[in-house]
Amino acid sequence: EVQLVQSGAEVKKPGESLKISCKISGYTFANYWIGWVRQMPGKGLEWMGIIYPGDSNTRYSPSFQGQVTISADTSISTTYLQWSGLRASDTAIYYCAKLSGPMGVWFDPWGQGTLVTVSS
Amino acid sequence: EIVMTQSPATVSVSPGERATLSCRASQSVSSSLAWYQQRPGQAPRLLIYGASSRATGIPARFSGGGSGTEFTLTISSLQSEDFAVYYCQQYNNWPMYTFGQGTKLEIK
Repeated sequence: EVQLVQSGAEVKKPGESLKISCKISGYTFANYWIGWVRQMPGKGLEWMGIIYPGDSNTRYSPSFQGQVTISADTSISTTYLQWSGLRASDTAIYYCAKLSGPMGVWFDPWGQGTLVTVSS
Repeated sequence: EIVMTQSPATVSVSPGERATLSCRASQSVSSSLAWYQQRPGQAPRLLIYGASSRATGIPARFSGGGSGTEFTLTISSLQSEDFAVYYCQQYNNWPMYTFGQGTKLEIK
């Protein structure tokens, strides 16, 4: 069974850095794209970026380019989403999801989400 | 960027009735469209891919249709667990995925 287990909720202050994780099991981690999706409070889904763990090829949505960094560690089948300087507007739930289908095009399955709260 | 527009924003339907949700793309996405269900407090779940193929384990009461710029998700006989928010997502312009803003399906 494919499982994506994300790290726990975080409360941070503006300007702080943060790295959240998504640990994968049930398939060969290196061989499939993984994506990150943001959901701000009461809002819809926004694609942030994807990574191919096998060669760390990473693509970002223009809306998130330069704002976050996506990485992966194949030795522990884990992908990360990190910020170097959080803002209150980064408050959201962040989901990781395996990209399935040819070239990795739809998100399935999803992690349970990580709530990030940024407040002074 | 391909913009996905879902309508209506909220729809009220009685249990046992049929619901039809719409998703429109700002330009043709062929059949490169997926639908997701998000229940309150849960992560999204894939329902439909390729515009009309049901994902593994999805009940037959869920069906997708359309191609090009116009798509529909139909739920033939609503069960209590179907009341949720539904999102469409295009993947024709890999990897520039875009989601619709969602349709909330509520109990009438």
